[in-house]
Amino acid sequence: KQEVTQIPAALSVPEGENLVLNCSFTDSAIYNLQWFRQDPGKGLTSLLLIQSSQREQTSGRLNASLDKSSGRSTLYIAASQPGDSATYLCAVHFSGGNTGKLIFGQGTTLQVKP
Amino acid sequence: KAGVTQTPRYLIKTRGQQVTLSCSPISGHRSVSWYQQTPGQGLQFLFEYFSETQRNKGNFPGRFSGRQFSNSRSEMNVSTLELGDSALYLCASSYRDGRNIQYFGAGTRLSVL
Repeated sequence: KQEVTQIPAALSVPEGENLVLNCSFTDSAIYNLQWFRQDPGKGLTSLLLIQSSQREQTSGRLNASLDKSSGRSTLYIAASQPGDSATYLCAVHFSGGNTGKLIFGQGTTLQVKP
Repeated sequence: KAGVTQTPRYLIKTRGQQVTLSCSPISGHRSVSWYQQTPGQGLQFLFEYFSETQRNKGNFPGRFSGRQFSNSRSEMNVSTLELGDSALYLCASSYRDGRNIQYFGAGTRLSVL
């Protein structure tokens, strides 16, 4: 069964700290992996997408890595700010397609304290 | 460029009723996918439509159905509502190119009483 797991479920850090969010998946045959941010009661905002052939992607203070052999991805947030407080979701397109089906982890809820 | 638009934003229904949710994708996107988000189960894939055809389906009962129109707008219908159908329903659109980035709408919050 194709599953995505995120650890930890919740994280609280002081402002300015660098942090890492973890995502693991059960099947190494992935098409791509996407990280999202969700604010309470809102939709999902796409942060980064990593294709299966890539090892990492960067956008501003965010860096996502992908290791297919170990079934892991990490999202690194540098110099965290209170505005980064949200739930971060990892979602995987498993191979077999260029499809709209994403398998999501349960998310990590991040709180950055001023 | 306008994002993915979902209407209505909020709905309150009673058990046994039916409901229709609407999703307008980003202009040029031909793929629309629907997801259900609940505190217990998280985000779960319902189905995907591409060029007016259902291409993928998740593990949901037949009470959940959808369709896509020629302008790529999509509707999702839930018949005979149950309390457990209370959730945030999200739709996502994509261009279905090689990268296949999914862009999500703000969702429709459905409460079944």
